[in-house]
Amino acid sequence: GDSVTQMEGPVTLSEEAFLTINCTYTATGYPSLFWYVQYPGEGLQLLLKATKADDKGSNKGFEATYRKETTSFHLEKGSVQVSDSAVYFCALSDLGSGGYNKLIFGAGTRLAVHP
Amino acid sequence: DTGVSQDPRHKITKRGQNVTFRCDPISEHNRLYWYRQTLGQGPEFLTYFQNEAQLEKSRLLSDRFSAERPKGSFSTLEIQRTEQGDSAMYLCASSLGVGDAEAFFGQGTRLTVV
Repeated sequence: GDSVTQMEGPVTLSEEAFLTINCTYTATGYPSLFWYVQYPGEGLQLLLKATKADDKGSNKGFEATYRKETTSFHLEKGSVQVSDSAVYFCALSDLGSGGYNKLIFGAGTRLAVHP
Repeated sequence: DTGVSQDPRHKITKRGQNVTFRCDPISEHNRLYWYRQTLGQGPEFLTYFQNEAQLEKSRLLSDRFSAERPKGSFSTLEIQRTEQGDSAMYLCASSLGVGDAEAFFGQGTRLTVV
């Protein structure tokens, strides 16, 4: 079945460092891809998404490009801040019956940014 | 409407007891989802409602689990005869009923079975 694999954490960075969190997927069709973020004590929030190959999703300085040839959707940010400390989840959508988004998540990567 | 709300936020129960969780979705959202998240893992899909109809259930949803959405608004998830393996965070999400509309998640109910 469809699956998502993302790099294990924790990832520990200093403020203003460059961030990459790797994500690869396995899917039989052409899923949409997502990055969700979970800040401490809060629910999952959609960070960005891409719906087809070569699309780039971006939000709050984060970017990820849908790479069909490498089945990847790596998350990047040029300069992280302490406030970016959170758990990041890569996910794909597997269209369930009725055309809704059934999300399949990776295990999550914890990011800790220090001043 | 401030988002998806779940109640309770935390629940500790003894093995063998029944528990029920409630989810109130965003008011205009007719799609509602339940996920389960265990420690160190990502959320796993449990079930999906379109209005009051439960259209899909995961293999993870054993016979001890039942979910309802009686009037197409709030939803309940009941676990009967809880086991220690049921300890997890139970997440509810909702979305508009069009295409790949974004799912908005609640903060979850953390269940601990002792």
